[in-house]
Amino acid sequence: KAGVTQTPRYLIKTRGQQVTLSCSPISGHRSVSWYQQTPGQGLQFLFEYFSETQRNKGNFPGRFSGRQFSNSRSEMNVSTLELGDSALYLCASSTDRVNTGELFFGEGSRLTVL
Amino acid sequence: QQQVKQSPQSLIVQKGGISIINCAYENTAFDYFPWYQQFPGKGPALLIAIRPDVSEKKEGRFTISFNKSAKQFSLHIMDSQPGDSATYFCAAHPGFQKLVFGTGTRLLVSP
Repeated sequence: KAGVTQTPRYLIKTRGQQVTLSCSPISGHRSVSWYQQTPGQGLQFLFEYFSETQRNKGNFPGRFSGRQFSNSRSEMNVSTLELGDSALYLCASSTDRVNTGELFFGEGSRLTVL
Repeated sequence: QQQVKQSPQSLIVQKGGISIINCAYENTAFDYFPWYQQFPGKGPALLIAIRPDVSEKKEGRFTISFNKSAKQFSLHIMDSQPGDSATYFCAAHPGFQKLVFGTGTRLLVSP
């Protein structure tokens, strides 16, 4: 069974640009969560989607947005990039309808903002 | 109240020794406490998890100890091996919501 796939794995952007990251969950998983990982801050929750609906949202500015498609694939977008957005963005999928916390992570998309 | 505090930030243990990582929480609504292991260049992977109705769970060399009254839980790695060198995250699940992660512990097991 294929794992969670994230694309692109690495990308470099400049301040003010926008970026779209993609996540394909494990087959059969309908919940997709996004996390931002930075040194010292650990894993910060961005948002979670289940069946195309945003179920939970973290404390990030509106520049961070996401969506989920009918095939459970998800995208997140960051507009007007800032230097502080440089991070590893992790996608995690779960089969749980009630979100019990058993997450399967992808390898992440490493974003560098110059 | 949604935080999980993790310590130490980094840890060096000799091969064969015991690695201990501690976490503390405030929210009594947390009902699931997983530990994730992350190797460089990889995403975190679930290592072991416990629910608050038990005080200890053991899987191979990995043990979670849970103290509900103190609102603390810890990961013990017995007979630590160089292959255990990774970053470890504790987490807590507040019911029907997202996982809350600790800030991570970087473990280095020296040969």
